[in-house]
Amino acid sequence: DGGITQSPKYLFRKEGQNVTLSCEQNLNHDAMYWYRQDPGQGLRLIYYSQIVNDFQKGDIAEGYSVSREKKESFPLTVTSAQKNPTAFYLCASSKFRERAYNEQFFGPGTRLTVL
Amino acid sequence: AQTVTQSQPEMSVQEAETVTLSCTYDTSESDYYLFWYKQPPSRQMILVIRQEAYKQQNATENRFSVNFQKAAKSFSLKISDSQLGDAAMYFCAYTGGTSYGKLTFGQGTILTVHP
Repeated sequence: DGGITQSPKYLFRKEGQNVTLSCEQNLNHDAMYWYRQDPGQGLRLIYYSQIVNDFQKGDIAEGYSVSREKKESFPLTVTSAQKNPTAFYLCASSKFRERAYNEQFFGPGTRLTVL
Repeated sequence: AQTVTQSQPEMSVQEAETVTLSCTYDTSESDYYLFWYKQPPSRQMILVIRQEAYKQQNATENRFSVNFQKAAKSFSLKISDSQLGDAAMYFCAYTGGTSYGKLTFGQGTILTVHP
């Protein structure tokens, strides 16, 4: 079955540690995205990538880093510089066409808690 | 920058009744799409309905329909014959213009369905 997988489902981090959230898709999509969801707020874009080996900052990129070495994978690292990392993180992917609608498909999410 | 506002943090409806969720947005673009996403307790994001800005006809998907008022920048979701399975968080979202590929979300509305 085609889809998006995120792992782990739950992740606990001690303050000062970096952690990496995994996102894999087998939909042959060019574009991938990372969103953060906090209570009382909608999803906010952290980073996105429209092609392998290229990515752009979203609205709240500070304290996060990404890589896009393979089309299928877009891992997100939450660094110790992120002041309030406890949140629900959602990965999405889509086809990519310039200035056109590309439906985004979402993974099941990772809940990150800082202890 | 584009913004999306959902002014109803919570709504409730009786099973089989109709409920309308509100959304307003702000953009200077003429070419864009609007969406309603559903996030049930599983937290999986599900696309409910989308509307292309250039289409005057309101989108409809079974029991879900929208009232798209372009001049007023309003995009409400009507759920008819509400079912228990409709209980979820609903997000209004926007993409378009120079931000194609990036979704801007509203804060969300929690919908409760009473039997």
